[in-house]
Amino acid sequence: ETGVTQTPRHLVMGMTNKKSLKCEQHLGHNAMYWYKQSAKKPLELMFVYNFKEQTENNSVPSRFSPECPNSSHLFLHLHTLQPEDSALYLCASSQEGPRYNEQFFGPGTRLTVL
Amino acid sequence: GIQVEQSPPDLILQEGANSTLRCNFSDSVNNLQWFHQNPWGQLINLFYIPSGTKQNGRLSATTVATERYSLLYISSSQTTDSGVYFCAVGDNNDMRFGAGTRLTVKP
Repeated sequence: ETGVTQTPRHLVMGMTNKKSLKCEQHLGHNAMYWYKQSAKKPLELMFVYNFKEQTENNSVPSRFSPECPNSSHLFLHLHTLQPEDSALYLCASSQEGPRYNEQFFGPGTRLTVL
Repeated sequence: GIQVEQSPPDLILQEGANSTLRCNFSDSVNNLQWFHQNPWGQLINLFYIPSGTKQNGRLSATTVATERYSLLYISSSQTTDSGVYFCAVGDNNDMRFGAGTRLTVKP
C-alpha cells in the first residue's frame, strides 16, 4: 500500500459512455497527478494539480477532463473516448517542496474502450 | 523536454546473479526516482535519488547529476525481482519516464 487508492481498478466502456476515475491520497500531500501508460510507450504525464490548481496540461484531448475538489481527491472524467485511449491510468501524489518531491503512485485503473 | 534513456531494454538473469541498470538524461534535474512495476501495474518506489548513493537491502542506486546518469544495482537477484524498472526524472511537477528495463529472473 502506497497511501494512494484508485477506483475502479478495471473499466470497460463504449465510445459514447461517460465515466469517471477516482483517486484519493491519504498522505497529506498537496500535489496530485494523472499519468497514462499505453502499451509499448513510456508513462505520459497528463495533468498536474498543485494546491488544487491545475498547473500542467500536456496537450491532452478535451475528452479527458480532470477535477480536483480538494488536495486529497482527484477525478478524471471521461467522455466520447476512442479505442486508442485504452490504457492504464495512474494517479500519483507528492508533497511539493523546494528540495523534495517524491511521487507515490496508486495501483491504476485499467481502461478498455470498445 | 528532458529525454530519458534506459538500458538495457531487456535483461534475463539466473537467480543469484547481479545486475546494473542505467538511466541517462539530457538535462539537469532536481528529481530522480527509480520504480519497480509489478505484473499488476503497481509502481513501487525504490529510491528517490537526485544525487548521491543510497542502499536498501540488495538494491542500491547512484546518481551522478553532473554527468546526467543514474545506476540501479541489484545483487543476488531473486525471481520476485522480475518486472519492469523505470527511471523518472524531472523538475518539480514535470516528471519524464524512461521506457523501462524489463528484468526476468529465472530460477
